[in-house]
Amino acid sequence: AQTVTQSQPEMSVQEAETVTLSCTYDTSESNYYLFWYKQPPSRQMILVIRQEAYKQQNATENRFSVNFQKAAKSFSLKISDSQLGDTAMYFCAFMKHPASGAGSYQLTFGKGTKLSVIP
Amino acid sequence: DAGVIQSPRHEVTEMGQEVTLRCKPISGHDYLFWYRQTMMRGLELLIYFNNNVPIDDSGMPEDRFSAKMPNASFSTLKIQPSEPRDSAVYFCASSLEGAVTPGLAIYEQYFGPGTRLTVT
Repeated sequence: AQTVTQSQPEMSVQEAETVTLSCTYDTSESNYYLFWYKQPPSRQMILVIRQEAYKQQNATENRFSVNFQKAAKSFSLKISDSQLGDTAMYFCAFMKHPASGAGSYQLTFGKGTKLSVIP
Repeated sequence: DAGVIQSPRHEVTEMGQEVTLRCKPISGHDYLFWYRQTMMRGLELLIYFNNNVPIDDSGMPEDRFSAKMPNASFSTLKIQPSEPRDSAVYFCASSLEGAVTPGLAIYEQYFGPGTRLTVT
């Protein structure tokens, strides 16, 4: 079974600054996907960024980028130029590659990190 | 395009009552997932369907919980009888199986707004 650990229950950052959220995972799989989801106070789960394990290049989406360290099983999220709208819970999630058979397509989530952006 | 639609958004019921949560996935998506979110346990997968067929229901907590997907555009999650410990936010999500070729696959799950269930 896969596990996802987010060791920072809460974080805060000043507006316009940069913040990094940590995520580690444990798996015996070699091919998988990793995701960061954002959950603002509205409760809606929003996909922020995705990384395929077979890709060495780190994914980037505008102000959001990841640092994927496969050997260390680490997948951190960096938010640059933080904005007030970034205030939310952030969840790291793991999915086995669909070709892996049983348990594929299932997302395993971490407990989340509550990020507050301070004006 | 419309996203995943869930109803009701809020449900308050008394212990012992039957509760039915509804979900309409994104048109064309062939996977549907039901999750439960609580403070104690975080986000947990309850069950998921592929082409309307239940694939894995190992996350369903008890026999009081049941889920159906009678067609590609509708699913229900039923709790009978409900208990206070069932109070949670229930999310439905859908996805489309991507192309087999690496790099073209998506497998991204799109979530509905959730149903906040309170059982008193």
